[in-house]
Amino acid sequence: EAQVTQNPRYLITVTGKKLTVTCSQNMNHEYMSWYRQDPGLGLRQIYYSMNVEVTDKGDVPEGYKVSRKEKRNFPLILESPSPNQTSLYFCASSPWGKTNNEQFFGPGTRLTVL
Amino acid sequence: QKEVEQNSGPLSVPEGAIASLNCTYSDRGSQSFFWYRQYSGKSPELIMFIYSNGDKEDGRFTAQLNKASQYVSLLIRDSQPSDSATYLCAGLTAGNMLTFGGGTRLMVKP
Repeated sequence: EAQVTQNPRYLITVTGKKLTVTCSQNMNHEYMSWYRQDPGLGLRQIYYSMNVEVTDKGDVPEGYKVSRKEKRNFPLILESPSPNQTSLYFCASSPWGKTNNEQFFGPGTRLTVL
Repeated sequence: QKEVEQNSGPLSVPEGAIASLNCTYSDRGSQSFFWYRQYSGKSPELIMFIYSNGDKEDGRFTAQLNKASQYVSLLIRDSQPSDSATYLCAGLTAGNMLTFGGGTRLMVKP
């Protein structure tokens, strides 16, 4: 089944404790992206990657890191989480270079930073 | 100002009516537009995309794009309670960046 998976789905952590949210897709998509969703603010892009070893900042990259060592994986790293990073996070993937680039979303990770 | 704007709603329509959802965008470089539906706590799922001026129909859904006015809309005919969700409009730039509006919450009342 074609899908984007994220782990963990739910995470409660404390300020300053490094964490990684994994994202994996099995559709051989070149493009992958991370979003956060907050009430009233919609989906905001954190980082995106157009291919292996190519990453770039989105609208709200501060406090986050990503890596793209393999095509299928795009982990999101919070080196020192803070309470303002409490949010619902979505990973998404899509093929590259087509007009109808539908983005396929993972199930979401609900992060709470205390 | 956000690049993609939507009225947050809620938009309330009776069952069987036409729901009209609207979206404006500021980036004239945006080439394609997408409507996603998102149920509470779930991930967005694509309903339709449109990249040519005019109308595009798919079942009960019709997307409309007017590039001169920088306006995108989604019409849902014969609205059902199961259509109650938040609808996200998104524009795709030439750099393959997808910019989302804040979403419109639709409520279809039986």
